[in-house]
Amino acid sequence: QSALTQPASVSGSPGQSITISCTGTTSDIGAYNHVSWYQHHPDRAPRLIIYQVSNRPSGVSNRFSASKSGSTASLTISGLQAEDEADYYCNSFTTSDTWVFGGGTKLTVL
Amino acid sequence: QVQLVESGGGMVQPGTSLRLSCAASAFTFSSDAMHWVRQAPGEGLEWVAFISQDGTRKYYADSVKGRFTISRDDPKNTLYLQMSSLRAEDTAVYYCAKDRRDTWSYDYWGQGTLVAVSS
Repeated sequence: QSALTQPASVSGSPGQSITISCTGTTSDIGAYNHVSWYQHHPDRAPRLIIYQVSNRPSGVSNRFSASKSGSTASLTISGLQAEDEADYYCNSFTTSDTWVFGGGTKLTVL
Repeated sequence: QVQLVESGGGMVQPGTSLRLSCAASAFTFSSDAMHWVRQAPGEGLEWVAFISQDGTRKYYADSVKGRFTISRDDPKNTLYLQMSSLRAEDTAVYYCAKDRRDTWSYDYWGQGTLVAVSS
């Protein structure tokens, strides 16, 4: 159950776009389309922003989009806003009937 | 609005036990699977355990298998995590999370309860 691999940090200026990668294996991301993404502001509960690779729950801005290719998933945030500054985590169901998170990526809006 | 409220955290010594609770409201608790997820200080999120809506399927992370037990009491709308043989590395904020049906994701989370394991 090794954690999925995410960059530790990314940054961007307001209005720009950033992409966060999430690399797994053929036992997790590569096995299913059960990839989700979470936004986590300090001292708040994590928030689901993407499920099943690329689907947004109601109420989540369409500035958030995501995709998957092979064993790597990606989250793109366009039109960066100050409120987007947070930690982002990918997550996948695995062939062992468990779930695994990425290590998390700290997004800084410059 | 869906609400999940964790309780039962605290400071305990290594080797002891603790039971966390998660009180659910504003949704049909018995119809949804549930998870526990934790975050150690300065670390990322770690999935801990899953229980199906009917309680028949339970899955655990390798790091807690054999020591932690997830359970649910549907009439009380409450999820539990019984933790035994606690270790320093179990120190974390523990969140309960509702499973978003048929999507293998978590759509609602509680605010978390802190468990500190130290001698």
